[in-house]
Amino acid sequence: ETGVTQTPRHLVMGMTNKKSLKCEQHLGHNAMYWYKQSAKKPLELMFVYNFKEQTENNSVPSRFSPECPNSSHLFLHLHTLQPEDSALYLCASSARTGPTSGNTIYFGEGSWLTVV
Amino acid sequence: QQQVKQSPQSLIVQKGGISIINCAYENTAFDYFPWYQQFPGKGPALLIAIRPDVSEKKEGRFTISFNKSAKQFSLHIMDSQPGDSATYFCAASMRSGNTPLVFGKGTRLSVIA
Repeated sequence: ETGVTQTPRHLVMGMTNKKSLKCEQHLGHNAMYWYKQSAKKPLELMFVYNFKEQTENNSVPSRFSPECPNSSHLFLHLHTLQPEDSALYLCASSARTGPTSGNTIYFGEGSWLTVV
Repeated sequence: QQQVKQSPQSLIVQKGGISIINCAYENTAFDYFPWYQQFPGKGPALLIAIRPDVSEKKEGRFTISFNKSAKQFSLHIMDSQPGDSATYFCAASMRSGNTPLVFGKGTRLSVIA
């Protein structure tokens, strides 16, 4: 257990569906991240939140909409996705962004998304 | 986005052999270099990390070698075991500012008996 929990672990959705991925961290961290992992781009940073504020949006299409209601929870809302969006979506957290002593990024086990 | 180039993409090593994975970076402001290990079905987990004030860091069978002038760092796995079979990612970031880690593209290591 890394202290970062993601649900659901597996999700199959149609292109017209709306679904959400949930992430919760129990580490007292202030930074949370969404990464997309696929065969083409193994660890692609999507969004970064610091103290609930979005600090980075890595040119992600608007069909992906993040939400960070507090420092412990992070959501990724999905709508009108494409089959090429099928991938493993990893949530992560750290004490803060940027490297300071002990500023390790902890990943969840990921949510496998299949868009049909 | 700043790049970290990792090689090889895949690696097969005999049990007991040495696995070597290399990374090169471009931004001289990078000063934190971790390696992550990912097993199938799991998220990546920190394995070992180094800062540029040392040229080598060793933890058990895992060693990071760092060459600041060449802007390269590598992971060496001594006495490789089948349980080491995983995907390894190098990464880099800066101490100052709020720049997240930049990851390499990963190396899939298979240790065969």
